[in-house]
Amino acid sequence: KAGVTQTPRYLIKTRGQQVTLSCSPISGHRSVSWYQQTPGQGLQFLFEYFSETQRNKGNFPGRFSGRQFSNSRSEMNVSTLELGDSALYLCASSPPTGANTGELFFGEGSRLTVL
Amino acid sequence: DQQVKQNSPSLSVQEGRISILNCDYTNSMFDYFLWYKKYPAEGPTFLISISSIKDKNEDGRFTVFLNKSAKHLSLHIVPSQPGDSAVYFCAASGLGSGGSNYKLTFGKGTLLTVNP
Repeated sequence: KAGVTQTPRYLIKTRGQQVTLSCSPISGHRSVSWYQQTPGQGLQFLFEYFSETQRNKGNFPGRFSGRQFSNSRSEMNVSTLELGDSALYLCASSPPTGANTGELFFGEGSRLTVL
Repeated sequence: DQQVKQNSPSLSVQEGRISILNCDYTNSMFDYFLWYKKYPAEGPTFLISISSIKDKNEDGRFTVFLNKSAKHLSLHIVPSQPGDSAVYFCAASGLGSGGSNYKLTFGKGTLLTVNP
């Protein structure tokens, strides 16, 4: 069974540009979450999508946005990039179980560097 | 305000000994706790979890203990192996996560180094 796939794995942008990251969840998983990991800050929740609807949103500015398609694939976009946006962006999907335990399956991440 | 805290940024132990990683939380609405392991250049992988109705869960060499009154949980690895060297994240979910268990609140992680 293929895992969570994120593209691109690495990218470099300059301040003011915008970036779009893509995530394909595990087949059958309908919930997709995005997290930002920076040194010293751990993983911080960005947002979560289920059936093309944003169900949860973290405390990030409006420059961070996302969407989910009918096939559960998700994209996140960051506009007007700032140096502080340099981070590893992780996508995770959740199985459609009734337990709602919060167990997530993570991709390998997209490493964004803003110069 | 950090709701999940891992106060030890790093921990070093000898192979074969016990590794104990600690985690504290502040939000009493959390009802499910998880540990994830992360190697460099890889995404976090789920390790073990515990529901708030239990105080212990064991899976092979890994045991998680939950002390609800102290809002504290710990991960024990016995015996520790060099392959266990990684960053370990504590995470919590529940109504305290904004009403949905699909949002995890993570600690900042503890780097475990197991020396041969």
